[in-house]
Amino acid sequence: DIVMTQSPDSLAVSLGERATINCRSSQSLLYTSTNKNYLSWYQQKPGQPPKLLIYWASSRESGVPDRFSGSGSGTDFTLTISSLQAEDVAVYYCQQYYITPPTFGRGTTVEIK
Amino acid sequence: QIHLVQSGDEVKKPGASVKISCKASGYTFTRNGVNWVRQARGQGLEWMAWINDYSGDTKYAQKFQGRVTVTTDASTETAYMEVERLTSDDSAVYYCAIRGYGSGSYYLFDAWGQGTLVTVSS
Repeated sequence: DIVMTQSPDSLAVSLGERATINCRSSQSLLYTSTNKNYLSWYQQKPGQPPKLLIYWASSRESGVPDRFSGSGSGTDFTLTISSLQAEDVAVYYCQQYYITPPTFGRGTTVEIK
Repeated sequence: QIHLVQSGDEVKKPGASVKISCKASGYTFTRNGVNWVRQARGQGLEWMAWINDYSGDTKYAQKFQGRVTVTTDASTETAYMEVERLTSDDSAVYYCAIRGYGSGSYYLFDAWGQGTLVTVSS
């Protein structure tokens, strides 16, 4: 199975400041024939199921605010929240869907400083 | 609008089985199939299985092979997951999840059920 490693486990950011979450996969998620990275990001708030934010490493899901962006390729990826809002307090997960089984990182908790 | 509605919370004894349902509206399982993902309290997400109603194809995480069975009923657009030989480690919220709105992999989850809490306790 592909192991997804997120860092940090948690971070506290002031409102309006940037939050950056990292994700590393144990093998490349870049499918060379399509030049796509099979990496997604989810946001989960307490008591709710996760919400898909980003797929193909950098494509924003419909309706997701543009303060959320994804970057990276191969084995190293980043989710950036450019200007943290109160409603962004949540746990964020990266996920690979390159091969079966799809696997998730352990999550990063984002809080307000 | 896609809605996935799951069956209610369950309390089971160790060694028992549980069968969870996931009824879809606004979506047909023949499109991208349906996945099952679980989350233990305070823990991360764990993918368990996938089934496509059109092809009859199923995929399981290796750790659940032989203990988990996923099925669908096309006539009612309902998916089911049965977990046998429950232990306390199976206490978790179980979700059905699909790629319902967008394109791409059926392992992208843009619609989720509300979750079913399964508690395994003697």
